[in-house]
Amino acid sequence: EAQVTQNPRYLITVTGKKLTVTCSQNMNHEYMSWYRQDPGLGLRQIYYSMNVEVTDKGDVPEGYKVSRKEKRNFPLILESPSPNQTSLYFCASSLRQGNTEAFFGQGTRLTVV
Amino acid sequence: AQSVTQLGSHVSVSEGALVLLRCNYSSSVPPYLFWYVQYPNQGLQLLLKYTTGATLVKGINGFEAEFKKSETSFHLTKPSAHMSDAAEYFCAVSESDSWGKLQFGAGTQVVVTP
Repeated sequence: EAQVTQNPRYLITVTGKKLTVTCSQNMNHEYMSWYRQDPGLGLRQIYYSMNVEVTDKGDVPEGYKVSRKEKRNFPLILESPSPNQTSLYFCASSLRQGNTEAFFGQGTRLTVV
Repeated sequence: AQSVTQLGSHVSVSEGALVLLRCNYSSSVPPYLFWYVQYPNQGLQLLLKYTTGATLVKGINGFEAEFKKSETSFHLTKPSAHMSDAAEYFCAVSESDSWGKLQFGAGTQVVVTP
């Protein structure tokens, strides 16, 4: 079954404690990205990757890092989380063309206290 | 730069009534247009998309949308709402050279009343 898997689904952490949210896809997609969803703002892109070892900033990259060492995995790293990073996070993958469907993970609800 | 405006953050419809969700976009190049649906505690899934060709696009669960270039709109409709349509709906645009980046609207929460 084609899927994007994120872990964990829920996470509560304290300010400044480094965390990683994992994302894995089984569709051999080149393009992967991270979005955050906030009420009234829709989804905003944090970082994206066009292929292994190729990553770039999206619209709201401050405070986040990513890596793409393998095609299937695209972890999101918060080196020093702050309360304004409390949000719902989604990983997505798609083929490289802009007209193709994006597949989304189930989401990670992060709370930073 | 591209942007997406969804009119109405919350819409309440009666079961069996027409569902109409409005989406307008701005784009410097011919866009690809999408509607995604998010059910509670789930990720987004594709309802339908417009890339080229026929401007009236049919999707899953009885939804359809019409691309109107002159109005820069891509409104989503369903003739008869079902209780299972209660969800949040997102309009999104991708420019043809954007490598799959999606620009989302703010979303519309649909409530279906008996």
